[in-house]
Formats: sequence, C-alpha cells, structure tokens
Amino acid sequence: KAGVTQTPRYLIKTRGQQVTLSCSPISGHRSVSWYQQTPGQGLQFLFEYFSETQRNKGNFPGRFSGRQFSNSRSEMNVSTLELGDSALYLCASSLARRGLARADTQYFGPGTRLTVL
Amino acid sequence: QQQVKQSPQSLIVQKGGISIINCAYENTAFDYFPWYQQFPGKGPALLIAIRPDVSEKKEGRFTISFNKSAKQFSLHIMDSQPGDSATYFCAASTAQNYGGSQGNLIFGKGTKLSVKP
Repeated sequence: KAGVTQTPRYLIKTRGQQVTLSCSPISGHRSVSWYQQTPGQGLQFLFEYFSETQRNKGNFPGRFSGRQFSNSRSEMNVSTLELGDSALYLCASSLARRGLARADTQYFGPGTRLTVL
Repeated sequence: QQQVKQSPQSLIVQKGGISIINCAYENTAFDYFPWYQQFPGKGPALLIAIRPDVSEKKEGRFTISFNKSAKQFSLHIMDSQPGDSATYFCAASTAQNYGGSQGNLIFGKGTKLSVKP
C-alpha cells in the first residue's frame, strides 16, 4: 500500500503570498491531520479533518485553513504568508475505524518544506 | 497542562549500548503514548506505542516503560546501532474517537540520537 503523499515537497514563497499544500492519505484512511514542524516550536497540531469536516483545530491564526474532499484527500492553505510560516508541514492519515473506542495510529507523509522569503 | 516534556535534547551512545529517552506529561486525560522516529528529510514514523493499562511494551530492541502515577514514560533502545541515529519524539493524546475524530498528538521537543560505531 502506498504511504501518505504530499505535494509539492518544496516550496519557496514571498511574504504576503498565499500557498496551498496537498495531501493524499493512505488508501482507505478517512482522517487527515496537519502538523507544522519548526526547529523552535517542534511539532504542532494544526487541524484534523474527517468526512470532509474539521473535527479539531490547534492554536493557529485564521490564516491557516484546510479542507477535505470526498475521496479523503486534503489541502491546507496559508494566506498572507509571514516569515515565521517557514516550516515543514506534515500531513498524517489514520484509518478512523468505526466503533473503535480509541484513536487509530497516525501515519505521516514526508512533508512539504515551505520557505518564506 | 497540554505539554509533553522530553529529555535529553541530544544523546550520544556507543554502538551496542542502551539509549534511554524520557518524557513527562501533566494531563491525566492522555491515554495514548506513541513514539516516533524521524530521519532527516523524512516524516515521523511510528516506532512503538503504549496505552496506560500496561506498564511496559517491547517490540524487538525497543521498549516503552510507562509509570502512570509519576506521569512519565520512557523509550529504551537496546543494542543501539548506527542506523538508529535519528530524532525521536514522544507524543501523547486523549486517543478519542468521537464522531471520527482522532484527537491531536501533543509532541515532545525531540531527542537527537547519535550512535557512534
């Protein structure tokens, strides 16, 4: 089975621009979560989508948004980019089995390295 | 209360030695504790995970020890190998599965492990 794929792998933008990152989860996985990884703050949760609905949201400004499509693929968007948005953006998918009392394992993609100049 | 504190920040171990990484948490609602391994340029990969109903879990050379009363858990890597050189992250979540939500992982800051040949 193919793993989580993220595109593009690398991106360079300038301040004020907006960017859209894409994530294709493992086949059959229905939950997609996004994380930001920086040297200073480490790995921080952005948001989670399940059945095209945002289920959880981390402590990030409204410039960060996302969506999920009916095939579980997800995109995240960052508007009005700031220098501090430079980071590795990671997508993770999980099976989210029905009837399971506890969460399923999250599997991470390789990430998109965003550089804001 | 949402933090997970990880130590040490970096660790150098001789080949064949034991690597020990520690994590502590405050939120008693956490009930899922995974460890992730990350190589440069890659996304985190699940190594091993534990739930608080057991005190220890072993998979090959990797063991998680869990102390619920102390709110601490640790990763032991036995017979450490140069190929184990990577950054290790502990994490915690409430492992909820309500309406499909998988919860969000709260990560420690990471430990960079170097295993010397």
